[in-house]
Amino acid sequence: SQQGEEDPQALSIQEGENATMNCSYKTSINNLQWYRQNSGRGLVHLILIRSNEREKHSGRLRVTLDTSKKSSSLLITASRAADTASYFCATEGLNRDDKIIFGKGTRLHILP
Amino acid sequence: DTEVTQTPKHLVMGMTNKKSLKCEQHMGHRAMYWYKQKAKKPPELMFVYSYEKLSINESVPSRFSPECPNSSLLNLHLHALQPEDSALYLCASSQGTHSTGTQYFGPGTRLTVL
Repeated sequence: SQQGEEDPQALSIQEGENATMNCSYKTSINNLQWYRQNSGRGLVHLILIRSNEREKHSGRLRVTLDTSKKSSSLLITASRAADTASYFCATEGLNRDDKIIFGKGTRLHILP
Repeated sequence: DTEVTQTPKHLVMGMTNKKSLKCEQHMGHRAMYWYKQKAKKPPELMFVYSYEKLSINESVPSRFSPECPNSSLLNLHLHALQPEDSALYLCASSQGTHSTGTQYFGPGTRLTVL
């Protein structure tokens, strides 16, 4: 299975601090995506990084990808209360029939 | 318009009822998905439609029946569900089914089976 595994499962930090979440996966991928989900709502796409990319930025988000270690990290800088959510990595395999597989997620809680 | 809409937002049904979930997108996406999500778990893929044809059925019980009437609409017909089917049902769409990146998700339907 190519399923991603996020680490940690849950994270609580003070507002203003940086939050780092990690994702590991098992098989070669075409791309890796990060999604955010507020409680009981739909998922929102944050960022996509392709297998030939090593780092991408979007606003306060920084994503890295290490294909040799089959891992990715999501860094949220200067966290805000609104960042409280669950974060999922999702991997897409190389084959045309491969579907996107979501990891188990990290629940991030920003403390005021 | 980058929105996927789902109706109803909440649904409570008995085990003998028949109900339908609806999903709509107007982004011209040719792939649409149904996911099931239990609390504190990741979304689990149920069905994928590509160009209005069912391309993936993840061994979902027949009490769930998907339908894609046209490229903008996706339905999930429910019949004789079990209490363990209670979950958040998410619809998503994307430009295609591979190498097309982003899936756009609807807000979900919270289903409770009594």
